[in-house]
Amino acid sequence: GQQVMQIPQYQHVQEGEDFTTYCNSSTTLSNIQWYKQRPGGHPVFLIQLVKSGEVKKQKRLTFQFGEAKKNSSLHITATQTTDVGTYFCAGHREGGATNKLIFGTGTLLAVQP
Amino acid sequence: DTAVSQTPKYLVTQMGNDKSIKCEQNLGHDTMYWYKQDSKKFLKIMFSYNNKELIINETVPNRFSPKSPDKAHLNLHINSLELGDSAVYFCASSQGWGSQPPGYGYTFGSGTRLTVV
Repeated sequence: GQQVMQIPQYQHVQEGEDFTTYCNSSTTLSNIQWYKQRPGGHPVFLIQLVKSGEVKKQKRLTFQFGEAKKNSSLHITATQTTDVGTYFCAGHREGGATNKLIFGTGTLLAVQP
Repeated sequence: DTAVSQTPKYLVTQMGNDKSIKCEQNLGHDTMYWYKQDSKKFLKIMFSYNNKELIINETVPNRFSPKSPDKAHLNLHINSLELGDSAVYFCASSQGWGSQPPGYGYTFGSGTRLTVV
């Protein structure tokens, strides 16, 4: 079945350092979404990308959708303690059941002040 | 004014019991979901309803039975609870199918932490 893997599983950074998580799908995606889940919280939608090669920015966060629409990345510049949490990518399989959103394995980010 | 609300937030119960989790959304969304998050944080879809109609039914034991009385509500009933059912169950909703309008994704409830002892 469709698999969406993220690396790294866990990253510990000092406040002010940059952070990147990578998302790879076994199948082509029609879109990629990113969510953030704070410890003890629920996933919160950050952004959706739909075009091949698309890049979007939200303040210190930069999201990219790969040319082949099988991978994506999230880059955080100058991390802050408020960035702590697990970041999930999620996507719909191109040509698949269109409302089946498959989540990646997640990357847990820890930020040391 | 909570968008997607789940009850209860915590549920501790013995093996073999039957329990229900309720979910309501006030966003006017057409589609609702149940996701299960295990101890390793993997989020796996269980069910999806669109306008009260079951759309997705993943390989979930038939002890799990979702019910959608109307498009604003999606409940989950679990029979004969097992230790392996312990997890956090999230309800979510979205405007429609597949790719969402720009700026929209799934809205999740705060989750129900189920512990089976």
